[in-house]
Amino acid sequence: DSGVTQTPKHLITATGQRVTLRCSPRSGDLSVYWYQQSLDQGLQFLIQYYNGEERAKGNILERFSAQQFPDLHSELNLSSLELGDSALYFCASSDGNSGNTIYFGEGSWLTVV
Amino acid sequence: GENVEQHPSTLSVQEGDSAVIKCTYSDSASNYFPWYKQELGKRPQLIIDIRSNVGEKKDQRIAVTLNKTAKHFSLHITETQPEDSAVYFCAASQGSNYQLIWGAGTKLIIKP
Repeated sequence: DSGVTQTPKHLITATGQRVTLRCSPRSGDLSVYWYQQSLDQGLQFLIQYYNGEERAKGNILERFSAQQFPDLHSELNLSSLELGDSALYFCASSDGNSGNTIYFGEGSWLTVV
Repeated sequence: GENVEQHPSTLSVQEGDSAVIKCTYSDSASNYFPWYKQELGKRPQLIIDIRSNVGEKKDQRIAVTLNKTAKHFSLHITETQPEDSAVYFCAASQGSNYQLIWGAGTKLIIKP
């Protein structure tokens, strides 16, 4: 158990819909990362938050948005869903400093039908 | 910005043999290099990491070596076992944002 909690574990939704994925970081970690992993693909970095503020942005689509709340949990919002958005979405956390390990949650499996 | 290349994309070795996966990076300022193992359908898990002030680190059957001059680092797994079958990702920590830049992954297959 990494200490990073993600909900829901599985989600099936229709094209055009909107979903919200939730992440609670490890106790004490200030930084949250979101990654997308499509089938048999690598880890695509989406976005990072540190103590409530956006710190870095990767290849995140305009249809996707995220935020980190004062209690440090984070949400990833995916809207106008397309079939190609079907993937495993990972949240990870770290204390946000250089050279510190990031710990991944179990992921949220999103299937768009 | 930083770029990390990982080779090979697939590696098949006989059980008991050694496996070596290599990553090269472009930013000489990178100073942290972790390796993660991801089993099918599971989360990536850190298996070993190395910092730029160290040339080699070992943990039982796993070792990582770093060559700062050539800007490459490698994962070595000795006496491979079936449970080593997984996808392995390398990463390098980039600059002031402390971002991890990831390699594309290596699928390691252990043949019985």
